[in-house]
Amino acid sequence: GNSVTQMEGPVTLSEEAFLTINCTYTATGYPSLFWYVQYPGEGLQLLLKATKADDKGSNKGFEATYRKETTSFHLEKGSVQVSDSAVYFCALQRQGAQKLVFGQGTRLTINP
Amino acid sequence: GAGVSQSPRYKVAKRGQDVALRCDPISGHVSLFWYQQALGQGPEFLTYFQNEAQLDKSGLPSDRFFAERPEGSVSTLKIQRTQQEDSAVYLCASSRLGEKLFFGSGTQLSVL
Repeated sequence: GNSVTQMEGPVTLSEEAFLTINCTYTATGYPSLFWYVQYPGEGLQLLLKATKADDKGSNKGFEATYRKETTSFHLEKGSVQVSDSAVYFCALQRQGAQKLVFGQGTRLTINP
Repeated sequence: GAGVSQSPRYKVAKRGQDVALRCDPISGHVSLFWYQQALGQGPEFLTYFQNEAQLDKSGLPSDRFFAERPEGSVSTLKIQRTQQEDSAVYLCASSRLGEKLFFGSGTQLSVL
């Protein structure tokens, strides 16, 4: 079946550190891949997405590249800020389907 | 309204009670989803509506769970004879067909 596995959290970093949150997936065909973010007290928001192999999604300084050969979609940011503290979810959407399949989430805390 | 609105924000129920959770999607959004998010986990798909038609209810965990969207706008998720394992945050999301999902802040259900 379709599934998403994320790096175990929580992750704690200092401001301006480099961030990587790992995400791998299992799916048939060519799913679309997403990163969602949940800031404290707010609803889930789409951060970025990629719809085909080798596509790079980017937003707010975050990037993730769709790697078909390693079935991965790791999230990266070169220099994190305190305001990036949130829970990050990797998700996939099977081709032709409407629903999203989410990973378990990774809580990120950035200290000043 | 400007976003997806869910009510109530918090609900405490005694085991065995019935509950009804409401979702007001963004005006004009055809697609509406319900997800269940257990503590420390990612959202799990429950059901999907396109206008008033419930096209996918494969994620509903038991026949105690029922969802409706009679006029293709507001949706209600009903849980009958609540059990402790139903305790979770219930998320609603809406979108134009095939476009970006917008999530509500959720209803946190606690079953005592």
